Amino acid sequence: EIVLTQSPGTLSLSPGERATLSCRASQTVSSTYLAWYQQKSGQAPRLLMYGASSRATGIPDRFSGSGSGTDFTLIISRLEPEDFAVYYCQQYRSSPWTFGQGTKVEIK
Amino acid sequence: QVQLVESGGGVVQPGTSLRLSCAASGLTFSIYGLHWVRQAPGKGLEWVAVIWGNGVTKDYGDSVQGRFTISRDNSKNTLYLQMNSLRVEDTAVYYCATDAGGAAFDYWGQGTLVTVSS
Repeated sequence: EIVLTQSPGTLSLSPGERATLSCRASQTVSSTYLAWYQQKSGQAPRLLMYGASSRATGIPDRFSGSGSGTDFTLIISRLEPEDFAVYYCQQYRSSPWTFGQGTKVEIK
Repeated sequence: QVQLVESGGGVVQPGTSLRLSCAASGLTFSIYGLHWVRQAPGKGLEWVAVIWGNGVTKDYGDSVQGRFTISRDNSKNTLYLQMNSLRVEDTAVYYCATDAGGAAFDYWGQGTLVTVSS
């Protein structure tokens, strides 16, 4: 099983600031199979990024993803009020599909 | 637009059974892989099971293997999760999600809450 470890656990930032979220895998994950999801309180997760760096439909370009091998990053260039949420990385290279434990981006 | 609607959740006692459904619309149902993902209260996401378009190929997470059965009815555009021998630790919101085949989970339902408690 591929274990994904996200850091930090919580990120306290102000609107307009830059957010950098990290996801580290216990073994190599092809960048093709790394996704990021956003989950707001009381809502279902929403796909943000797939293939590590491709934005899903309707996702604004302030969201960007990068990485390869075991280290991946999600950057939100300028936080908007609606971006405060929990973010999960996921590998979908092989079963069992696994998620990181999440990073909460909260308003400072 | 694509819509997934889960149903069937509720409060049940340990050791009992429950069947969840996920009704889909706005997509060519039979070509999609379909997953169940759960989220315990205040916790992260846990993958539960997958079934591919043919309805034959399936896979399960270790925590539910042998107790849960995933199935689909392509004529009704509906996904199911039969949950037997439920445990307190199965308490969670259960989401269904689509997979276009080796892809990320692009569409999710709103979830249905299952509470296992004596």
